[in-house]
Amino acid sequence: AQSVTQPDIHITVSEGASLELRCNYSYGATPYLFWYVQSPGQGLQLLLKYFSGDTLVQGIKGFEAEFKRSQSSFNLRKPSVHWSDAAEYFCAVAPADKLIFGTGTRLQVFP
Amino acid sequence: SAVISQKPSRDICQRGTSLTIQCQVDSQVTMMFWYRQQPGQSLTLIATANQGSEATYESGFVIDKFPISRPNLTFSTLTVSNMSPEDSSIYLCSVALGSSGRILGETQYFGPGTRLLVL
Repeated sequence: AQSVTQPDIHITVSEGASLELRCNYSYGATPYLFWYVQSPGQGLQLLLKYFSGDTLVQGIKGFEAEFKRSQSSFNLRKPSVHWSDAAEYFCAVAPADKLIFGTGTRLQVFP
Repeated sequence: SAVISQKPSRDICQRGTSLTIQCQVDSQVTMMFWYRQQPGQSLTLIATANQGSEATYESGFVIDKFPISRPNLTFSTLTVSNMSPEDSSIYLCSVALGSSGRILGETQYFGPGTRLLVL
């Protein structure tokens, strides 16, 4: 069955530090891949998506993600984290007619 | 993108009662979805609601418990029936833009959610 794994439940970084959130998926072919962010008390906002083509995808708020087929990964990165980035981040895949979400990674940012 | 609103934003309900959640979209969309996010957990798809057809429910969710209406291309409701404390969750409405009728390749946009607490 298709699945999404986000190994890190909780990550804490200092403001200005770099960030990488991990996402691994299980699927026989290349699915469509997404990263969403959920700020406290808010709905989900799409950060970026990968359908095909260039494996390095740029998103909003300075985020980027790299699709690595050999590792079945789609890790999210940001070179310098801002305090406003503190939120819950969800990786999702769409292998067929539904979105499958990972369990999320909660990001905490210290000043 | 799409602007999605939900009503109510939050509610506290007594067990055994029912709550209807409304989802309004600012544009016409074919595919709408309802998700549940239990405390501290990820999102789980409840059902897909396409206009003009009955909702399609995921495993573990049934129409008697979560009846859905989709009267037009911009509106949907989800009812949580005969509630118990286990129904305490955030319920999110989502839409997929595009006319293909299939989620594959479409981007989903989410509403702000309805936070439900059942006592």
